[in-house]
Amino acid sequence: SQQGEEDPQALSIQEGENATMNCSYKTSINNLQWYRQNSGRGLVHLILIRSNEREKHSGRLRVTLDTSKKSSSLLITASRAADTASYFCASSGSARQLTFGSGTQLTVLP
Amino acid sequence: DTAVSQTPKYLVTQMGNDKSIKCEQNLGHDTMYWYKQDSKKFLKIMFSYNNKELIINETVPNRFSPKSPDKAHLNLHINSLELGDSAVYFCASSLGGQGETQYFGPGTRLLVL
Repeated sequence: SQQGEEDPQALSIQEGENATMNCSYKTSINNLQWYRQNSGRGLVHLILIRSNEREKHSGRLRVTLDTSKKSSSLLITASRAADTASYFCASSGSARQLTFGSGTQLTVLP
Repeated sequence: DTAVSQTPKYLVTQMGNDKSIKCEQNLGHDTMYWYKQDSKKFLKIMFSYNNKELIINETVPNRFSPKSPDKAHLNLHINSLELGDSAVYFCASSLGGQGETQYFGPGTRLLVL
């Protein structure tokens, strides 16, 4: 399976600013998920958006999905130092498995 | 209470050795996975088991053999370890096997010398 791509690869912002990460995928999907990975830890699921949804919110997270462009974005509002982590998108298609993107390393400076 | 646990957390071994990594989940999930994360953080699925049956077997060397004694456990045995096997291996589980939310273990950092 082909890896999706995320951009930017790395993002550094000040606490309180918003962070936007983008993800592109290659095949048609059933859903798209975002995960966070803190340094030296496992991945933690953040949010899932289905292919028939365009936007979803969860707390300070906002996810959009554009199936015509095969892309998604994750917005973290009012970022905190604790948001520092790698963020991965994962697409689920007909193969029923998750294909992960290459990840965005977010650094939130205090 | 840990949902998905793996042992060991760190594994340092010599080339040519055989080693196993164990994974257990207490979530009552039917599907379990093994992933390999390389030094650039690319995460690639290796195997998937649904209720003790293999359903995904990506192109991995035969030296890697998963074993699922019951649906709560999925172990990974690696024969004749090579330098290129050095990576972080993650176990994960999901309720079903239809591309749902997955719950990851803390990872096993394998270093082959």
